[in-house]
Amino acid sequence: SAVISQKPSRDICQRGTSLTIQCQVDSQVTMMFWYRQQPGQSLTLIATANQGSEATYESGFVIDKFPISRPNLTFSTLTVSNMSPEDSSIYLCSVEAITMRGVSTDTQYFGPGTRLTVL
Amino acid sequence: KQEVTQIPAALSVPEGENLVLNCSFTDSAIYNLQWFRQDPGKGLTSLLLIQSSQREQTSGRLNASLDKSSGRSTLYIAASQPGDSATYLCAVREASGSRLTFGEGTQLTVNP
Repeated sequence: SAVISQKPSRDICQRGTSLTIQCQVDSQVTMMFWYRQQPGQSLTLIATANQGSEATYESGFVIDKFPISRPNLTFSTLTVSNMSPEDSSIYLCSVEAITMRGVSTDTQYFGPGTRLTVL
Repeated sequence: KQEVTQIPAALSVPEGENLVLNCSFTDSAIYNLQWFRQDPGKGLTSLLLIQSSQREQTSGRLNASLDKSSGRSTLYIAASQPGDSATYLCAVREASGSRLTFGEGTQLTVNP
């Protein structure tokens, strides 16, 4: 398995500002993912972040709004830019765990999430 | 576009009861299916992963089945306990890529 931590765990922000969320994994992983869970809804994938390349965004999500960094195999950040109340959600980081030999286990593990409220 | 549906949306049972949560998906070309548990205000905990070639997986009191051809999976919880109270999510991974498509979850309450 993989142990994932996120910072901050929650935040309340003003409209028009930006927030950067950090995701740290206790082991090296190839693929990291960022999901959004809006109030009362299920999870939606924002983008896939691979080390050494630009993130791949899902339909409806753009880099200018959700810039992502992936500087190494254990860390990633997601920035929510120019926030509006509609961005109030839980943002979750997940990883696809790999074995000691670098083979994917096909299992995705999730961090505890960052609860964002935009006023 | 893959769509995942979970029924029921909410379920309340007395402690000790066996129960079944249902998950259906529209595109049978999946790579695997994963069941998660989400406690209020928390992240997701992986419960079981079923590969597309498998029919079921078991972990303790949990048993998940997969019928890929009919686009269905069930999560069976035996001898339910109050600690099982949580939202249960199923997610399918497409045969191409790593994206997980989630259902909206079943909110389970087990009453003492």
